[in-house]
Amino acid sequence: TQLLEQSPQFLSIQEGENLTVYCNSSSVFSSLQWYRQEPGEGPVLLVTVVTGGEVKKLKRLTFQFGDARKDSSLHITAAQPGDTGLYLCAGAQGSGGGADGLTFGKGTHLIIQP
Amino acid sequence: DAGITQSPRYKITETGRQVTLMCHQTWSHSYMFWYRQDLGHGLRLIYYSAAADITDKGEVPDGYVVSRSKTENFPLTLESATRSQTSVYFCASSGATGRVSNSPLHFGNGTRLTVT
Repeated sequence: TQLLEQSPQFLSIQEGENLTVYCNSSSVFSSLQWYRQEPGEGPVLLVTVVTGGEVKKLKRLTFQFGDARKDSSLHITAAQPGDTGLYLCAGAQGSGGGADGLTFGKGTHLIIQP
Repeated sequence: DAGITQSPRYKITETGRQVTLMCHQTWSHSYMFWYRQDLGHGLRLIYYSAAADITDKGEVPDGYVVSRSKTENFPLTLESATRSQTSVYFCASSGATGRVSNSPLHFGNGTRLTVT
């Protein structure tokens, strides 16, 4: 089973600061997704990256897929309290299309203090 | 309302009892999944289904049973609940027609199950 390591596990910063969270593996992924989960709710997809080196932006969030497709990062600029949540990365491996679901990292718990 | 709904939201049961968690989606998505979320383990796949009457095991299937007689429903049954099955259970669906891994998973809001 491929393993996705997310770091840091917990991060608490002040509103307005920038931050980066990481998702790393020793395995190559055919694609990688980032989700955000708020308390009492299910995860919600933020982005899917497919191509090595790909960069996608979602307002103040920037997602990057590593050139070798083994890692990914999420950078948030000028964090706001509404960014608080659990950020999960999830990867699919191999040519099977990922029908057996995605492998999820354990997540980064992010708290943005006003 | 369209979407994916899970019931109940909270359930307390005793060791050894059978309990069924329900999942219903209104998108007619082909794929449906059951995950459990535990502190220190993240989300782990229990079972998945590619279509009605087609189910397959995920990473942690032991002690669970699923069925999918209709596309919109995917119930998860714990045949004889154990304390180790205390967890938050999430159902998800995907409308993928190509690579499932490139399509978003749509999650329900979860069922928090406590086995005493």
